[in-house]
Amino acid sequence: DVKVTQSSRYLVKRTGEKVFLECVQDMDHENMFWYRQDPGLGLRLIYFSYDVKMKEKGDIPEGYSVSREKKERFSLILESASTNQTSMYLCASSGGQDRGFGPGTRLTVT
Amino acid sequence: AQSVTQPDIHITVSEGASLELRCNYSYGATPYLFWYVQSPGQGLQLLLKYFSGDTLVQGIKGFEAEFKRSQSSFNLRKPSVHWSDAAEYFCAVGARDSSYKLIFGSGTRLLVRP
Repeated sequence: DVKVTQSSRYLVKRTGEKVFLECVQDMDHENMFWYRQDPGLGLRLIYFSYDVKMKEKGDIPEGYSVSREKKERFSLILESASTNQTSMYLCASSGGQDRGFGPGTRLTVT
Repeated sequence: AQSVTQPDIHITVSEGASLELRCNYSYGATPYLFWYVQSPGQGLQLLLKYFSGDTLVQGIKGFEAEFKRSQSSFNLRKPSVHWSDAAEYFCAVGARDSSYKLIFGSGTRLLVRP
């Protein structure tokens, strides 16, 4: 089974703080993804990466950036957190027909 | 543009009754299709997926889904719902390129009456 871990299950940050969400996968997958989950909106793709140091914008990249320095690790960065970024963040990885999701990080920005 | 529509935000069924959750997609070709379930406070669990071949797909927990190309649909069914099926269900389409990027629907929350 694919194992995708996220550094925190719950996180509380203040407006304007720089926030790092970390994701690690153990399956040597090429592709990694960051989604945001909000009630009534499902999961929306923020960014994805198909290789080390490669990234592409998803549907809602504004206010976010990402970093992939190593194949197994994909970081989501909120340069200056805002209250409208309060949400559940899910990381995923895929390779071939194999895919896994992390447990999610519930971020609250106050 | 690729998109997934789950027209029902909430569905309530009685325990033991049959269930059908609707999913329609918009995609340039035949996509990969998935159904995921998320119980409260839990992560996403894959119920089933369609890549090619037989259009009726069997999944875990007694679920099945049927791909209908003419209707651009991939509806999820279960003949007899159990109280433990109460959860949120997401349909997703996957890109048929090396990214395997998934686009999700907005979800359907299933409530089960005792």
